[in-house]
Amino acid sequence: GAGVSQSPRYKVAKRGQDVALRCDPISGHVSLFWYQQALGQGPEFLTYFQNEAQLDKSGLPSDRFFAERPEGSVSTLKIQRTQQEDSAVYLCASTLDRVGYGYTFGSGTRLTVV
Amino acid sequence: AQSVAQPEDQVNVAEGNPLTVKCTYSVSGNPYLFWYVQYPNRGLQFLLKYITGDNLVKGSYGFEAEFNKSQTSFHLKKPSALVSDSALYFCAVRDGNSGGYQKVTFGTGTKLQVIP
Repeated sequence: GAGVSQSPRYKVAKRGQDVALRCDPISGHVSLFWYQQALGQGPEFLTYFQNEAQLDKSGLPSDRFFAERPEGSVSTLKIQRTQQEDSAVYLCASTLDRVGYGYTFGSGTRLTVV
Repeated sequence: AQSVAQPEDQVNVAEGNPLTVKCTYSVSGNPYLFWYVQYPNRGLQFLLKYITGDNLVKGSYGFEAEFNKSQTSFHLKKPSALVSDSALYFCAVRDGNSGGYQKVTFGTGTKLQVIP
C-alpha cells in the first residue's frame, strides 16, 4: 500500500482482556518498529523487526506484551491481560533499509483500558 | 544511552514571524538527528534529517534545522510561520556509529501554536 496502515484505529478493552493490534507496513519495507505513545509524551520504543526476525524487544514493558511478524510483512502486537497503564497510542513505523534513516509512521491505534 | 531534550513544552509565535523549536541531544557516537510533526489524531510525519554533510538541513513545508555539534543542538526553524504549522513537533536521535540497526529515541515533544 501507499502508507503504513494500522487497525483498529480505536480499541476499548476491559481490564484483563487480551487485545491484538495490527500493522501493515509499506510493501517491501525491511524494518518495522512498534512504539508506545502515552498521553502528552513522546513515542517510546517497544520492539524492532528486520523482516521476520525480532532483533530487539528491549522496550516491551512486561511479558504481557508480545509481537510477531511471521512472514516479514504484517505485524501484530498482542497485549495480554490489559491493565489501565497500557492505555496509550501504539504506533507502527517501517523503513526500507535496515539502518532506519527515516521512519514512515502509521496513524496509530488508540487503546483505552477501562 | 542516547537521549533528546526539548526544553519547551509549548512555543507560541505570531503568524508571519520566524519560529524556532529547540532540541538538544546526547549520543555516544555520531548523531543521526530527525524532526517529526504530529497533527491531532494522526501519526508522526517525517520533516527532515541530519546524517552528515552540511549543518543546515532543509526539509518539508519550508522547515529547516541547524546541526551544531559543539552545542549538541538541532533546533528546528522556519522563516515565516503559518497557522497551519500549529502541531506537535518531535526531535529524535540515533547513534550513527553503530552501523546496521539502532533504535531511534524521541523527545517529549513541543507544541507549536501559531497565532493569527
